[in-house]
Amino acid sequence: DVKVTQSSRYLVKRTGEKVFLECVQDMDHENMFWYRQDPGLGLRLIYFSYDVKMKEKGDIPEGYSVSREKKERFSLILESASTNQTSMYLCASTLRGGLAETQYFGPGTRLLVL
Amino acid sequence: AQSVTQPDIHITVSEGASLELRCNYSYGATPYLFWYVQSPGQGLQLLLKYFSGDTLVQGIKGFEAEFKRSQSSFNLRKPSVHWSDAAEYFCAVGPRGSYIPTFGRGTSLIVHP
Repeated sequence: DVKVTQSSRYLVKRTGEKVFLECVQDMDHENMFWYRQDPGLGLRLIYFSYDVKMKEKGDIPEGYSVSREKKERFSLILESASTNQTSMYLCASTLRGGLAETQYFGPGTRLLVL
Repeated sequence: AQSVTQPDIHITVSEGASLELRCNYSYGATPYLFWYVQSPGQGLQLLLKYFSGDTLVQGIKGFEAEFKRSQSSFNLRKPSVHWSDAAEYFCAVGPRGSYIPTFGRGTSLIVHP
């Protein structure tokens, strides 16, 4: 069974703090994704990565950066957290590229920025 | 660019009743189509997907969906809903050759006993 884990289920941070959200998958997947989920807006793609050290911007990359130093790990970084980044963050991975591949999701990290 | 619409924000059904969740998409060609479910406090889980062939797709947990090209729809159905089906449901579409699906805004299913 594919397992995608996220480092925290709940996180509370203060405005201006640097925040790291970690995602790890255990099935040697090539592609990893970070989404943001807000009520009434569905899932919006922040960044994705199709290989180690490779990244592509999604629909809403502003205020975020990512790091993928190892194949199994994909980190989302909020350089200076703001209250409008309070949200649920979901990580996903796929074995290879292309929509034929199933996306496997982690349980999510609910971030509150005060 | 493709888009996907889930017209119903909330749907309330009684346990044992049938269910249909609507999904409409906008795209020039036939895209890949997906339904995901998100139980409370969980990530998304794939229910079913359509790429080509038979337009009636069977998924997990007793769900099915029918692709109707003429209506640009991919509605999700279940003949008899269980209380454990209460969750958020997302339809997603994507063009062939793309990495990334576009998700709808979700439909929240409430199940009354």
